[in-house]
Amino acid sequence: AQSVTQLGSHVSVSEGALVLLRCNYSSSVPPYLFWYVQYPNQGLQLLLKYTSAATLVKGINGFEAEFKKSETSFHLTKPSAHMSDAAEYFCAVSPSGSARQLTFGSGTQLTVLP
Amino acid sequence: DAEITQSPRHKITETGRQVTLACHQTWNHNNMFWYRQDLGHGLRLIHYSYGVQDTNKGEVSDGYSVSRSNTEDLPLTLESAASSQTSVYFCASSGIGMVEQFFGPGTRLTVL
Repeated sequence: AQSVTQLGSHVSVSEGALVLLRCNYSSSVPPYLFWYVQYPNQGLQLLLKYTSAATLVKGINGFEAEFKKSETSFHLTKPSAHMSDAAEYFCAVSPSGSARQLTFGSGTQLTVLP
Repeated sequence: DAEITQSPRHKITETGRQVTLACHQTWNHNNMFWYRQDLGHGLRLIHYSYGVQDTNKGEVSDGYSVSRSNTEDLPLTLESAASSQTSVYFCASSGIGMVEQFFGPGTRLTVL
C-alpha cells in the first residue's frame, strides 16, 4: 500500500524567494517518486522523478528534490521563485518498476507574490 | 508530434445518462490510465490498461467502465451518470520501460 501526504494545500512566496513544497510518502516496497505541475486548465506535466539512482534529483525549470529514506520525504525546492511558477504541484508515488499505478497527494497550490 | 488527446474537453449531462469520454494517444504506448481530479483529493485512479484487451480496476472504479480494442484508445464510460461523478477526468499513458506517465489536457464533466 502507498500513500502521499503534501503538507500545506496553499503556499505563498515572494518572487525571488525560496520555494519549498513538502511531500511525505508511505510505501511497503521501494518507491519511485514524482513531482508533477499543473497550470490552470491544463494537464499534468512531469517536473522530476526519483527512480533509486541519485537521491538529489534535478528537474525542469530549476526545480530539484531530495529523496530522504530515513524521513520518508521527497520535498521539492527551487532557490528563486518566478511569477511563472504559480501553479498546482502534485507529489506522487508508485512501486518501483515501470508503468505502475501512481498514487497522488492532494496537491499544493503555489502563489508567487510580486 | 506524438500526443495524447481527450474529447470532449467540456461536457454537461443529466443524471442517469450514459457518457463516454475519449482518450487517444499517438505514442504507441502500451499502458493507459484514467484518473479523476477532485478538490482536496488530488488525482485518483479509476481504471487502467496494460495492453489491448487488458483492463483493470483502480481505486474509484464503481460506476465506470473501460475497454481497450486497440493500442491508441481507452474510452471511459459512465454507465449511468451521477452528480458525484462531476469532476475533471485525465487520461495518461506510458510506454514499455517508462516509469513516468504522460497526461492529456483533461475533460471537465458536469452531471446535473
